[in-house]
Amino acid sequence: GENVEQHPSTLSVQEGDSAVIKCTYSDSASNYFPWYKQELGKRPQLIIDIRSNVGEKKDQRIAVTLNKTAKHFSLHITETQPEDSAVYFCAASKGNYGQNFVFGPGTRLSVLP
Amino acid sequence: EPEVTQTPSHQVTQMGQEVILRCVPISNHLYFYWYRQILGQKVEFLVSFYNNEISEKSEIFDDQFSVERPDGSNFTLKIRSTKLEDSAMYFCASSDTYNSPLHFGNGTRLTVT
Repeated sequence: GENVEQHPSTLSVQEGDSAVIKCTYSDSASNYFPWYKQELGKRPQLIIDIRSNVGEKKDQRIAVTLNKTAKHFSLHITETQPEDSAVYFCAASKGNYGQNFVFGPGTRLSVLP
Repeated sequence: EPEVTQTPSHQVTQMGQEVILRCVPISNHLYFYWYRQILGQKVEFLVSFYNNEISEKSEIFDDQFSVERPDGSNFTLKIRSTKLEDSAMYFCASSDTYNSPLHFGNGTRLTVT
């Protein structure tokens, strides 16, 4: 089955710097890759997603890139702010009937003021 | 914005007891999921449900677990005989199509003593 790895497990950056989180997946049939942000004690919330027919997607300070050949995708956050501090999870799915989303182990991002 | 709602927010039960976790998915969504998250760990898939039947389940979802959609709005997860290792946050999620973002509820924190 699908296996999603995520690095780093923790990341500390100074406010205003950029943060990059990388994920790899194992199943070449996966075609949908969302990123979720989870603040302490709260639900995971979708922040951006990308489909396999696109190489890059951007939404204000957040961007995601996808390399299908290498089976990896990355989250880029620019001009980080303290409120970006959270755990970020990447996920992959194949989009088949009955599919499930396989999540990475998470990255704890701390933005230091 | 419509939300997935879960009740209760926190459930404490004794080992061996049955628990039912309840969810109301977003009303026009057709795909329903249960995930769990042990404290500090990644989000793990349990089961997906579509058209009144289980479409996929993980190894975690053994005979002690069952799901049901008893009416047009509720989606429940039953654990027949709880174990200590069932202690986790259980998230319900729904999506409108098979490859669209998951919308998570706020979760039910299950504590088995």
